Amino acid sequence: RKEVEQDPGPFNVPEGATVAFNCTYSNSASQSFFWYRQDCRKEPKLLMSVYSSGNEDGRFTAQLNRASQYISLLIRDSKLSDSATYLCVVNDNQGGKLIFGQGTELSVKP
Amino acid sequence: EAGVVQSPRYKIIEKKQPVAFWCNPISGHNTLYWYLQNLGQGPELLIRYENEEAVDDSQLPKDRFSAERLKGVDSTLKIQPAELGDSAVYLCASSFGNTGELFFGEGSRLTVL
Repeated sequence: RKEVEQDPGPFNVPEGATVAFNCTYSNSASQSFFWYRQDCRKEPKLLMSVYSSGNEDGRFTAQLNRASQYISLLIRDSKLSDSATYLCVVNDNQGGKLIFGQGTELSVKP
Repeated sequence: EAGVVQSPRYKIIEKKQPVAFWCNPISGHNTLYWYLQNLGQGPELLIRYENEEAVDDSQLPKDRFSAERLKGVDSTLKIQPAELGDSAVYLCASSFGNTGELFFGEGSRLTVL
């Protein structure tokens, strides 16, 4: 089992749609969780951290379910500019190693 | 403020040749990472430095890969000899401590022929 697994993509959605990505992690001791965004042929950039109580940043909502060991990212009212690959990242807490999922590609169409 | 700078951006070499990548992290960032990213995959950690100390190099193929971070600032990643399977993007990132926010460079894209 991979340490961090994400929904296989790609997700193709129309503008304005709501889309959700899921991610599961294997290490129950993990404490920190993040979503990164990576545009085509660019470097990954932090999108948002994921807090235990869930957190929202504009159209983006991140949630954490520790019991089931999964993290989700919800994007409401999708924009063309949201097209990218979304990477789930988990800090394994063993000295701060950040483990990336394989990424889920999102394509928002007009 | 300048971000993480990597060079070269692109490198094409023949198998069995050596190659080196250089990274200059954001000023003041004590933690530096080298990741490898294959097409359609997420970044995979090769080595992590805290200042000049390599604190996690468990994923670095030490038979052909080496890295150094002299003086705890710039870092170099070397492959010798390169193999076809080494073709990938090599990403350098830096952070201040272990906050989880990594700042990546644009990467060095290696093609081994």
